[in-house]
Amino acid sequence: QVQLVQSGAEVKKPGASVKISCKASGYSFTSHAFSWARQAPGQGLEWMGWVSAYTGDTNYAQNLQGRVTLTTDASTSTAYMELRSLRSDDTAVYYCSRMGMPATIGDYWGQGTLVTVSS
Amino acid sequence: QSALTQPRSVSGSPGQAVTISCTGTSSDVGKFDYVSWYQQPPGRAPKLMIYDVSKRPSGVPDRFSGSKSGNTASLTISGLQADDEADYYCSSYAGSYTYVFGTGTKVTVL
Repeated sequence: QVQLVQSGAEVKKPGASVKISCKASGYSFTSHAFSWARQAPGQGLEWMGWVSAYTGDTNYAQNLQGRVTLTTDASTSTAYMELRSLRSDDTAVYYCSRMGMPATIGDYWGQGTLVTVSS
Repeated sequence: QSALTQPRSVSGSPGQAVTISCTGTSSDVGKFDYVSWYQQPPGRAPKLMIYDVSKRPSGVPDRFSGSKSGNTASLTISGLQADDEADYYCSSYAGSYTYVFGTGTKVTVL
């Protein structure tokens, strides 16, 4: 069965970077793209961007352009999300998802990773 | 890209039907038939309930149905059950390989 397992919670200081992993199993890794979303405490979901696991093509939400990088590693069936220049309002649970065809953000989701940004 | 607009909350008694609206624009919901709905219980990850406006993934009960008219999509839950209580989010493809979520709706079973 399809599973997405994310790395554990992180605590970072303002200005630092964080890199979260999302290990996929149960399907052909390069057959689906990955999307990332985040959810601040008590708030709604915010789409961050997507990355093709086949070509490496990416597209990012405008408000995160320049601070976020999405990548994949087919040799380990893992997707990554790196966010730089962290601010307190980046504190959130970050989710990876496998994109459904042709244009669904997530037909399967990871369990989420809490990133806390605090001095 | 602004979030799609959903009511903050809807409620119903067991067995009743509730409908959640998701209003976007002619650039997202109104332009593409790529609206999805997600169920998110407290403290859990989202789960896909409807995709491509009205299609149900395998395993999702047929009590859940989706539709769209103009710039507004809707999710209807028929025969409301206690374990339907959760937050529900819509999302839409918005062109140029971008996506947008709705503001979220809390469903309460009375």
